[in-house]
Amino acid sequence: SQQGEEDPQALSIQEGENATMNCSYKTSINNLQWYRQNSGRGLVHLILIRSNEREKHSGRLRVTLDTSKKSSSLLITASRAADTASYFCATDSNTGNQFYFGTGTSLTVIP
Amino acid sequence: DSGVTQTPKHLITATGQRVTLRCSPRSGDLSVYWYQQSLDQGLQFLIHYYNGEERAKGNILERFSAQQFPDLHSELNLSSLELGDSALYFCASSARTGRYTEAFFGQGTRLTVV
Repeated sequence: SQQGEEDPQALSIQEGENATMNCSYKTSINNLQWYRQNSGRGLVHLILIRSNEREKHSGRLRVTLDTSKKSSSLLITASRAADTASYFCATDSNTGNQFYFGTGTSLTVIP
Repeated sequence: DSGVTQTPKHLITATGQRVTLRCSPRSGDLSVYWYQQSLDQGLQFLIHYYNGEERAKGNILERFSAQQFPDLHSELNLSSLELGDSALYFCASSARTGRYTEAFFGQGTRLTVV
């Protein structure tokens, strides 16, 4: 299966701290996307990083991609209670006709 | 708001019944994807349509079917429902298919089979 895996499964930090989540995948990709999901709600698209990119920033988010290690990381700086959610990485198939989701990291930011 | 609309938001039905979930993609998006999210299986890809044509099929049961209409909205039909079909069903849309495609998700339909 191409499904990725996020690590850690759960993370609890204090407000203001940084949160780092990792994603590993199994096959070559065209791009990798990160999503946030609040409990029982829809997935919110955070950022897409292409296979030829190594790092990308969006506001308090920083994503890195290491295709040689088949891994990506999502860093959320200066976390807020509102960042409490599950975070998923998604990789695409060769054709781009489907996306494979990891198992998610559950982040809790304590006020 | 992603711009992807799913209806209904919640659905409670009995085993053996049939339901239809509806998805309206973002304006201009040609691709629609369906996913099932359950506690024990995570997010599972079901099927992908692009401009009315089926492009990829994932772990979709034979009891389930989908289609994309000329106006690009899509419907997911679930029949002979079983308790194990209880899950969140998500639709996502993207402007195109292929490389570097961002997919945007709707809020989902929560299906409960009793």
